[in-house]
Amino acid sequence: AQTVTQSQPEMSVQEAETVTLSCTYDTSESDYYLFWYKQPPSRQMILVIRQEAYKQQNATENRFSVNFQKAAKSFSLKISDSQLGDAAMYFCASRGDTGTASKLTFGTGTRLQVTL
Amino acid sequence: DTAVSQTPKYLVTQMGNDKSIKCEQNLGHDTMYWYKQDSKKFLKIMFSYNNKELIINETVPNRFSPKSPDKAHLNLHINSLELGDSAVYFCASSLSGGIGTQYFGPGTRLTVL
Repeated sequence: AQTVTQSQPEMSVQEAETVTLSCTYDTSESDYYLFWYKQPPSRQMILVIRQEAYKQQNATENRFSVNFQKAAKSFSLKISDSQLGDAAMYFCASRGDTGTASKLTFGTGTRLQVTL
Repeated sequence: DTAVSQTPKYLVTQMGNDKSIKCEQNLGHDTMYWYKQDSKKFLKIMFSYNNKELIINETVPNRFSPKSPDKAHLNLHINSLELGDSAVYFCASSLSGGIGTQYFGPGTRLTVL
């Protein structure tokens, strides 16, 4: 079984600043994967970044990076140089390896506001 | 060009009606999923098919019936619609091996009156 917790329902950041969104998870799977998805008002679910749990190196995608702490079961998302287009709901998710564990388990989301 | 497409994008219907939502992916993936997003934005898995075989069937009323005619298509049929079925339904697809990143369709907003 997997659970994902996002403890920040809302966050706000000024344009060009840096913000970190928190996520903790719990899983009984030995192999698992972690994701951040973004959902703008258009409601499209967009992959932001992904991390294989067996990799120690933190994933990075341009202005987006994660701080993956496996022992602490923490997977936070850092957005650098925030832009107005980053305003959206952000969902942290985990999935196991195969079969019934391959479903994504989502957190409750963090709504990010970007101000001028 | 669209990777995962869903039709329709909006569906407004009366209680008691039967409706279907269609999903198609052109990514060559072998696994497809249906997720439901409720009014509080919470996303939850409903079903998953791998190579046309049902592998995940969460606690969903049996009024919901998925069908996968081939690996590229996964449809969702809902009988006797209820007010509580109002939600956004997302289709997604992935490869079954490795990190298996799931790519989502645009969602179908279902409103039951």
